Amino acid sequence: DIQMTQTPSTLSASVGDRVTITCRASQILNNWLAWYQQKPGRAPRLLISQASTLESGVPSRFSGSGSGTEFTLTISSLQPDDFATYYCQQYVDYPLTFGGGTKVEIK
Amino acid sequence: QVRLQESGPGLVKPSDTLSLTCAVSGFSISTDYWWGWIRQSPGKGLEWIGYIYHTGDTYYAASLKSRLTMSVDTSRNQFSLKLSSVTAVDTAVYYCIKKKAGWFAFDIWGHGTRVTVSS
Repeated sequence: DIQMTQTPSTLSASVGDRVTITCRASQILNNWLAWYQQKPGRAPRLLISQASTLESGVPSRFSGSGSGTEFTLTISSLQPDDFATYYCQQYVDYPLTFGGGTKVEIK
Repeated sequence: QVRLQESGPGLVKPSDTLSLTCAVSGFSISTDYWWGWIRQSPGKGLEWIGYIYHTGDTYYAASLKSRLTMSVDTSRNQFSLKLSSVTAVDTAVYYCIKKKAGWFAFDIWGHGTRVTVSS
């Protein structure tokens, strides 16, 4: 199975901060990577697919980048609605696997 | 707008079979897309279970394959999951999902249903 490692596991930030989350894969993903946002008590929401393609309706302050085995999710200016847990997911091979999550907290 | 709604018992006894159904609204599942399940537990995080096409073709997680059955009921526009011989490890929130067209990411999720395995 492909292991997905996210860092950091928790991140404290303030409104307006630039935030970067890293996801590392145990194998090359060829950009077959997605990012999700999850708020407490809610289902995850797809933000980005193919490493950098924003889903419809996702604010442009979110961006994804990377290639090979290392990927990043960046929030250019953190907004109050962005405090949540973020997950990466690979889909280059079965079983489809997720990272352990990064919780973005209010500083 | 596609919407998914899970239903099923919230409590299942060890060694029994966990059965969940996902009702789809806003789209006919017999038209297209893969439909499936993901679960989330404190111990294992988000875990992909598998998905099914309206033709009955399936992809299952290898770790669950021996206990897992998915099915589609196009007349009711719903799909189902059965997981046999459950243990406490199967306790989780179960989400039904729709696979995004073209990519193996999941763009529509149900609200989730909490299932506890306990006697």
